Amino acid sequence: SQKIEQNSEALNIQEGKTATLTCNYTNYSPAYLQWYRQDPGRGPVFLLLIRENEKEKRKERLKVTFDTTLKQSLFHITASQPADSATYLCALDKGSSGSARQLTFGSGTQLTVLP
Amino acid sequence: DARVTQTPRDKVTEMGQEVTMRCQPILGHNTVFWYRQTMMQGLELLAYFRNRAPLDDSGMPKDRFSAEMPDATLATLKIQPSEPRDSAVYFCASGRNTGELFFGEGSRLTVL
Repeated sequence: SQKIEQNSEALNIQEGKTATLTCNYTNYSPAYLQWYRQDPGRGPVFLLLIRENEKEKRKERLKVTFDTTLKQSLFHITASQPADSATYLCALDKGSSGSARQLTFGSGTQLTVLP
Repeated sequence: DARVTQTPRDKVTEMGQEVTMRCQPILGHNTVFWYRQTMMQGLELLAYFRNRAPLDDSGMPKDRFSAEMPDATLATLKIQPSEPRDSAVYFCASGRNTGELFFGEGSRLTVL
């Protein structure tokens, strides 16, 4: 069956360090993968999208890698800040064609950046 | 600043009552999604519309749930009759061909 797994439900790191979150998937052939941030009581907010033919994508302090052989994406936040504390969700499409994709989400990793 | 608007933000109701949640997608977006989020299951896709046509509602309990888009500015999710196990946060999201989804703030439903 199809499965998306994100590393450990909670991750605590010290301010200034790099946070690395993992998303592994099985039985998917996604055309692309996305990362979202969710704060308590709020809806998820889009952060980054990476296509199957891209190895790496960057946006400010964020970096995403996508390895379709390992079926894994890594999400990095460099120089982390307490304001980065949130739940981070990865999402895969089902590989269907057309406009905005039908995304399936992982369960999320709750990141806490300690001052 | 364009955003997806959902109403109500919070709803407490008794088992057996009808619940209707509404969503106004971002103008110009041609796809609308309904998701349900619980601690146990995370975000689950319930229904998906493209150009107002329902494309996939396989994640939705058909006997009590229904989703419609009467026009391009309104999507509705109805539960009738509601049950305690329906208690969750329901999110509406809209998008276009760039791939990313824009989520509303959610409707928190509590069925007693």
